[in-house]
Amino acid sequence: QKEVEQDPGPLSVPEGAIVSLNCTYSNSAFQYFMWYRQYSRKGPELLMYTYSSGNKEDGRFTAQVDKSSKYISLFIRDSQPSDSATYLCAMSGSNSGGYQKVTFGTGTKLQVIP
Amino acid sequence: DTGVSQDPRHKITKRGQNVTFRCDPISEHNRLYWYRQTLGQGPEFLTYFQNEAQLEKSRLLSDRFSAERPKGSFSTLEIQRTEQGDSAMYLCASSIRTGEGYTFGSGTRLTVV
Repeated sequence: QKEVEQDPGPLSVPEGAIVSLNCTYSNSAFQYFMWYRQYSRKGPELLMYTYSSGNKEDGRFTAQVDKSSKYISLFIRDSQPSDSATYLCAMSGSNSGGYQKVTFGTGTKLQVIP
Repeated sequence: DTGVSQDPRHKITKRGQNVTFRCDPISEHNRLYWYRQTLGQGPEFLTYFQNEAQLEKSRLLSDRFSAERPKGSFSTLEIQRTEQGDSAMYLCASSIRTGEGYTFGSGTRLTVV
């Protein structure tokens, strides 16, 4: 079993829809949770970064973390064609002192249709 | 330019040849990472530098792979005796702290024929 599971999609939605992207994980030590967006043939770009459980909002994007269920989500409101990309969840353990590598999901490919 | 730069963007090489990639991180970031990404997969960790010290290597990093970061600035990743299975996107990232958000470069796409 992979430490981080993510549905690869593809997910197709009409422009303006609310998009929900999700990941589950198995490592209880994960405390830092990130979402990256990756356009074709580009490197990943950090979208959201949260620590422990709770919600974080940034414009049209909301990240949710439920550590009790080991489940994280990214919501995109009023989706735009420019949001079409692959969305990668990522997570890591405590970074106090030693190194904690970031583990990525496989990514969900999103297409927003005009 | 304040981003992470990688060179070259694309590399096509014949099986058995050696290749070297370069990464220039954000100047104030003392932590540097190499990841490998294949089609349809997320990035997989290869190695980590803090300043010039290589502090962690994945077991994915066979003895054909070597990475350096002289003087704690740019880094190079060399693959010797390339194999077709080495074909992938090689991503470099940098950060101020570990475990949090990284800034990635655009990657070097390697094709071994």
